[in-house]
Amino acid sequence: DQQVKQNSPSLSVQEGRISILNCDYTNSMFDYFLWYKKYPAEGPTFLISISSIKDKNEDGRFTVFLNKSAKHLSLHIVPSQPGDSAVYFCAASARNFGNEKLTFGTGTRLTIIP
Amino acid sequence: NAGVTQTPKFQVLKTGQSMTLQCAQDMNHEYMSWYRQDPGMGLRLIHYSVGAGITDQGEVPNGYNVSRSTTEDFPLRLLSAAPSQTSVYFCASMGRGAGWGEQFFGPGTRLTVL
Repeated sequence: DQQVKQNSPSLSVQEGRISILNCDYTNSMFDYFLWYKKYPAEGPTFLISISSIKDKNEDGRFTVFLNKSAKHLSLHIVPSQPGDSAVYFCAASARNFGNEKLTFGTGTRLTIIP
Repeated sequence: NAGVTQTPKFQVLKTGQSMTLQCAQDMNHEYMSWYRQDPGMGLRLIHYSVGAGITDQGEVPNGYNVSRSTTEDFPLRLLSAAPSQTSVYFCASMGRGAGWGEQFFGPGTRLTVL
């Protein structure tokens, strides 16, 4: 049972435009959400996170939106740059319930077209 | 700081052989974990540890053993390798305080079991 789902395996976006990556979750105990970026032959690197007490968190070109009622979050990258081409993983944990374990989605491969 | 280091980078085993994947971190992080990444499956948690002497199972623990005798090291042992354990293995660590929830990943070990 996939508790964190990324339904788009791949996404192509023109350089300079907005990239929107989506993630859905089913476990209502999840209260902390993260996005990781992964280049080939490297480990994932942390990008941005959001707590369930917020509905938006911004860091430079990256913004994460959380819709708790829909159990949906999205990552917006604007403007998109060639270096953003990577696989993006959504992850969730239930920190307030003492559970620090991360549950990952299957990833979305983002390709930025110059 | 070297961050999270993993050795070896690549390994080929025959079915039935045993081996240990090494993981070390120099950030004095309490939390360490092992994941495996398979195509179309995202990252799945194998085992984790919340401190020296404390380990617990993740989502896919069968066939793997861990121990945590020091804060720095968290080796993963394959007891009797099987082709189903062919995967890329990532070790991660996380500290408490600022940035809690953000796991730092090593570069990975690519394991092939013939």
